[in-house]
Amino acid sequence: DIQMTQSPSSLSASVGDRVTITCRASQSISSYLNWYEKKPGKAPKLLIYAASSLQSGVPSRFSGSGSGSVFTLTISSLQPEDFATYYCQQTYSTPYTFGQGTNLAIK
Amino acid sequence: QLQLQESGPGLVKPSETLSLTCTVSGGSISSRTFYWAWIRQPPGKGLEWIGSIYYSGSTYYTPSLKSRVTISVDTSKNQFSLKLSSVTAADTAVYYCARQRSGGSFLLDPWGQGALVTVSS
Repeated sequence: DIQMTQSPSSLSASVGDRVTITCRASQSISSYLNWYEKKPGKAPKLLIYAASSLQSGVPSRFSGSGSGSVFTLTISSLQPEDFATYYCQQTYSTPYTFGQGTNLAIK
Repeated sequence: QLQLQESGPGLVKPSETLSLTCTVSGGSISSRTFYWAWIRQPPGKGLEWIGSIYYSGSTYYTPSLKSRVTISVDTSKNQFSLKLSSVTAADTAVYYCARQRSGGSFLLDPWGQGALVTVSS
């Protein structure tokens, strides 16, 4: 299985901050990397697919980059509704593994 | 707008079989563009992809659960189902169904709201 490791596991930030979350794969996965936002009691929401493509309806303050084995999710200016847990997922090969999650909390 | 809804018992006894159904509305489960997936999240833990099924019945399972999992599809009812046998407390989780694109990025979207299944006697 391909292991996905996110860093940091948690971080605190303020509204308006620029935040970057990193996801590393245990082997090259080309651009087969998706990002999801998860809030308590809600279904996960797709934010970014194919490493850098913004899902329809997702605010442009979210962006993704990377290829190979290192990827980043950036939120350019944090809004109150962005405090959540973020997961990366590789879809290069089955099983389609997720990272352990990054909990983004209000400072 | 495509919607998915999980249904099934919320409480299952240890060693028994967990059974959930996902009903798809607003679109056809027989689309050649998509797979249909199950994902779970144990309390306080991260997301785990369980497996996916194509309308034709071809399946992919995560190896750690493969001996206990069966995913099936009923195109006449626009539903797909999950069965997980010999459950233990470790299988307690919120179970989500989702549509998975069959090519490109294999993204998961949309998701159902989730169904909490507790394994307890």
